[in-house]
Amino acid sequence: DAKTTQPNSMESNEEEPVHLPCNHSTISGTDYIHWYRQLPSQGPEYVIHGLTSNVNNRMASLAIAEDRKSSTLIRHRATLRDAAVYYCILRDWGNNDMRFGAGTRLTVKP
Amino acid sequence: EPEVTQTPSHQVTQMGQEVILRCVPISNHLYFYWYRQILGQKVEFLVSFYNNEISEKSEIFDDQFSVERPDGSNFTLKIRSTKLEDSAMYFCASSGTFGELFFGEGSRLTVL
Repeated sequence: DAKTTQPNSMESNEEEPVHLPCNHSTISGTDYIHWYRQLPSQGPEYVIHGLTSNVNNRMASLAIAEDRKSSTLIRHRATLRDAAVYYCILRDWGNNDMRFGAGTRLTVKP
Repeated sequence: EPEVTQTPSHQVTQMGQEVILRCVPISNHLYFYWYRQILGQKVEFLVSFYNNEISEKSEIFDDQFSVERPDGSNFTLKIRSTKLEDSAMYFCASSGTFGELFFGEGSRLTVL
C-alpha cells in the first residue's frame, strides 16, 4: 500500500466539527482511500472509503482533493465517543494486505 | 448486526507452547485476515486468506504461524512455539468483497 501521512494527534471540542487530514501524494489510480478508527481497547472499525468523489455515510464524510493527493475525514459533530485513533489507508483494488500506519489520535474535550 | 467473534478473549501461555486463536467470521464473507497489535504500537497485518489459501502475508508471518479454515465457519491462527515477543492483541477480520473489513474484539495473548 502506498504511504499516507497523518498528524500524530488532534484535539476537538464536543459537538464541534472535526476535520482529520491525510496526505497521500504518491497515490496511484487504482488506490482507494480507506478510513478506519480504533476506540480504546477495541478492534479497528471501518469508517468510510472512496476513490475520487466525496462520500457520505452515517458515520462521516470523506472529502477527496481533486488531484487525490490528500483527503479529509469529517465528523460533523464530535462526541466524546469519537475519541479514538483514526487511520487513513490506501488500498489498491484487489490487494488483500491492507496495512495500518500510526494514525491520528483524536481527543475530544467536553 | 452480524459480527466477527473471537475466542479466547485472553490466553496466557508459557514460552514454547503452541497456541490456537479462533475466529468466526461473518457468514457470507469470503476474505479473512489476521492482524496483531503489540501494546502501545500500531496494528500490524499478518495474513489474508481467500479461497482456502493464503493470498498475502507479511514479513512477520513466518514459519511459526499458520492459518486454517477447518470447517467452513472457523478461521484459526496457530503459533507453533510461542516467544515472549508474540505477546499482543490478535485481531481477526473478514470482508465480503473488496470493501470494508469487519474486525473482531481481539484475543489477548500473554506469553510468560
